[in-house]
Amino acid sequence: GQQVMQIPQYQHVQEGEDFTTYCNSSTTLSNIQWYKQRPGGHPVFLIQLVKSGEVKKQKRLTFQFGEAKKNSSLHITATQTTDVGTYFCAAGYGGSQGNLIFGKGTKLSVKP
Amino acid sequence: DAGVTQSPTHLIKTRGQQVTLRCSPISGHKSVSWYQQVLGQGPQFIFQYYEKEERGRGNFPDRFSARQFPNYSSELNVNALLLGDSALYLCASSPKTLRLRGNSPLHFGNGTRLTVT
Repeated sequence: GQQVMQIPQYQHVQEGEDFTTYCNSSTTLSNIQWYKQRPGGHPVFLIQLVKSGEVKKQKRLTFQFGEAKKNSSLHITATQTTDVGTYFCAAGYGGSQGNLIFGKGTKLSVKP
Repeated sequence: DAGVTQSPTHLIKTRGQQVTLRCSPISGHKSVSWYQQVLGQGPQFIFQYYEKEERGRGNFPDRFSARQFPNYSSELNVNALLLGDSALYLCASSPKTLRLRGNSPLHFGNGTRLTVT
């Protein structure tokens, strides 16, 4: 079945350092979404990327979609303790089905 | 506006038993999806329903079934529970707009934590 690989699995940073998580698919994606799940919480939608090479920014967060639409990244500049949580990419492969395939996530911890 | 609501929040069952989980989507959302999230993993797709019809099924055994009601709420049923069914079950709703590209963003509920002993 379709799979999406996400790395790294864990990332420990000092507050103020940058953080990046990567998502890769072996097949071309229709779109990719990013979610954040706080400890004990549920996934919360952050952004959706649809176009090849697309870059979107939300304050300190920068999201990129690869030119081949097979990979994506989320970069956080100058992390804060409020950024703690697990970040998931979710791949959409198009077609009639609307389901998303989630990566295993990158768990971010931030040391103050 | 109320978000996606799920009940119960926690559930403890014994192997072999059956369980029913419930979900009410955001008002106006016609699509409901169910995901299973095992500790330390990403959510795994189980079902998607839209307008009371099944529109997608993940790689789960026939012990898992679901339905959607005329008011767009949904139930997930799991029969003959196994220890491995212990997980957080997430329901997500979306407006399911007809778009040329992209999926509708998912709005998740807080989930039902199922423990099978």
